[in-house]
Amino acid sequence: GAVVSQHPSWVICKSGTSVKIECRSLDFQATTMFWYRQFPKQSLMLMATSNEGSKATYEQGVEKDKFLINHASLTLSTLTVTSAHPEDSSFYICSALRGPAAYNEQFFGPGTRLTVL
Amino acid sequence: DAKTTQPTSMDCAEGRAANLPCNHSTISGNEYVYWYRQIHSQGPQYIIHGLKNNETNEMASLIITEDRKSSTLILPHATLRDTAVYYCIVRRNTDKLIFGTGTRLQVFP
Repeated sequence: GAVVSQHPSWVICKSGTSVKIECRSLDFQATTMFWYRQFPKQSLMLMATSNEGSKATYEQGVEKDKFLINHASLTLSTLTVTSAHPEDSSFYICSALRGPAAYNEQFFGPGTRLTVL
Repeated sequence: DAKTTQPTSMDCAEGRAANLPCNHSTISGNEYVYWYRQIHSQGPQYIIHGLKNNETNEMASLIITEDRKSSTLILPHATLRDTAVYYCIVRRNTDKLIFGTGTRLQVFP
């Protein structure tokens, strides 16, 4: 199966700092990637759709200026949590789409656990 | 508005078949039934999907009723490593994956 990696796997930062999370498709090209957030004992919540070479599309209620997404290449998307606060502590998961839009396969990364002190 | 309804939790003895139900009474003709699972603190893992016919792969079987209003995911011989949250998702192939609350399956020895 296709492999998606995330880096780092966990990060602890101080309140007010910014944190960048990378999502890479290792063995396929992905024009579209997705970012999800998951709080403890809750389901995954879609935050945004990341398209290579264009601006990300954010879901309702997600602050685009706080969660900066860059999809500069066909194998890399980054999520930057700016001015992080304790309420941003969560499990962030990315996924990458392989294949044409008519039949797509979505592969998930292992997740990044962010803890903001 | 939820497209699928799943039980909150289920138990299954190791070695027995785990049958996870999912109701999707408002499914459209061009929507597929997808199943993913998430083992604790990991990313979701694709299991299987289908449109109308029953499907089987190395992981599981998917049984879809004739009216397509419900389906059952079958893990034929559950192991402790199958303990996870299982998500049933109804979507067109071009739609985003939106996760509901899923079923927490606990496999016990």
